[in-house]
Amino acid sequence: DGGITQSPKYLFRKEGQNVTLSCEQNLNHDAMYWYRQDPGQGLRLIYYSQIVNDFQKGDIAEGYSVSREKKESFPLTVTSAQKNPTAFYLCASSNPGTGHTGELFFGEGSRLTVL
Amino acid sequence: DQQVKQNSPSLSVQEGRISILNCDYTNSMFDYFLWYKKYPAEGPTFLISISSIKDKNEDGRFTVFLNKSAKHLSLHIVPSQPGDSAVYFCAAIRSVGYNNNDMRFGAGTRLTVKP
Repeated sequence: DGGITQSPKYLFRKEGQNVTLSCEQNLNHDAMYWYRQDPGQGLRLIYYSQIVNDFQKGDIAEGYSVSREKKESFPLTVTSAQKNPTAFYLCASSNPGTGHTGELFFGEGSRLTVL
Repeated sequence: DQQVKQNSPSLSVQEGRISILNCDYTNSMFDYFLWYKKYPAEGPTFLISISSIKDKNEDGRFTVFLNKSAKHLSLHIVPSQPGDSAVYFCAAIRSVGYNNNDMRFGAGTRLTVKP
């Protein structure tokens, strides 16, 4: 089945530790995104990548880093510099130009809790 | 700066009745609007969209209405079914020369359909 796989679903981290969230897609989509969801707020864009080996900061990139070495993979690292990392993280992909403007395909999400 | 607002965090309706979910936006450059549906422990999935050249788009039990002058859109579900119980996100984008990284999401409305 085609889709987006995020892992782990739940993750606990101690303050000061970096943690990496995995996102893999087999939809052959060019673009991939990381969003953060907090209670009472809409999804906010952290980073996005339109093609392999290229990525751009979103609205709330501080304290996060990404890489896009393969088309299928877009891991997100939450660094110790992120002041409030406890949140629900969503990875998404899309294929602009397919005629379906704006439709994103989401993974099931990863919930990060900092202890 | 929340450019897309869903002012009702929750909505409860009886099975068989109409559900109306509302969304307001502030950026007049938005010209394409989407609704996503999210079940617990799953990622959001695309539901229905509308271009600003239309004022209505219908897909089965789901209809989205757009009032450009009021910068308001609504999602109607008729008849509502218990399986429609989920969180619904409104999203907006500027489609001309678009990039999905410019998509803005509302905070979501949790719909509960009671049997």
